[in-house]
Amino acid sequence: EDKVVQSPLSLVVHEGDTVTLNCSYEVTNFRSLLWYKQEKKAPTFLFMLTSSGIEKKSGRLSSILDKKELFSILNITATQTGDSAVYLCAVPHSGGSNYKLTFGKGTLLTVNP
Amino acid sequence: NAGVTQTPKFQVLKTGQSMTLQCAQDMNHNSMYWYRQDPGMGLRLIYYSASEGTTDKGEVPNGYNVSRLNKREFSLRLESAAPSQTSVYFCAVPPGTGVYEQYFGPGTRLTVT
Repeated sequence: EDKVVQSPLSLVVHEGDTVTLNCSYEVTNFRSLLWYKQEKKAPTFLFMLTSSGIEKKSGRLSSILDKKELFSILNITATQTGDSAVYLCAVPHSGGSNYKLTFGKGTLLTVNP
Repeated sequence: NAGVTQTPKFQVLKTGQSMTLQCAQDMNHNSMYWYRQDPGMGLRLIYYSASEGTTDKGEVPNGYNVSRLNKREFSLRLESAAPSQTSVYFCAVPPGTGVYEQYFGPGTRLTVT
């Protein structure tokens, strides 16, 4: 059974800090790893990583995958209060012609002013 | 959330009552998914549908039924609601065929007393 473990489960920082969120996985037939951001509503897609060592970047957020050690990190630099959210990682696995997602429990990030 | 709508947004039920959660998409995609989200638990797959007329169980299907009568709509039914089904329910649709990410609807917050 596929497994996704995120750490830490929660994190409180001050504006301007840099944070690193972790996601480790155990999955048969790895295809990719996805990161989502969830504020007080539905998750929104951030990144998809398929290749080891290639950084994906969007503004102050970046993410990288290590397929040898089976983990990914999400970095947020110069955090702002608007970064406060739950960050979820997920791995897809095949269900016939479809891809179901297995999610980790998420990391609750709180950025204080 | 573009292209995925859910109704209702909120619902309170008494134990034993039934209700149907509705999801509709205008992305013209074959696959649709129902998840539930509980505090500290990430998202867990309840049921999914690969195409019109087909449905399959996910990780936590007990107590639920689904119906995919046409390509656009995928409904989730609670026949006899229990307090353990208090949760936030999300419908999700991939943006294309053979892609891993999923777009989520706005969610339905259900409370069973």
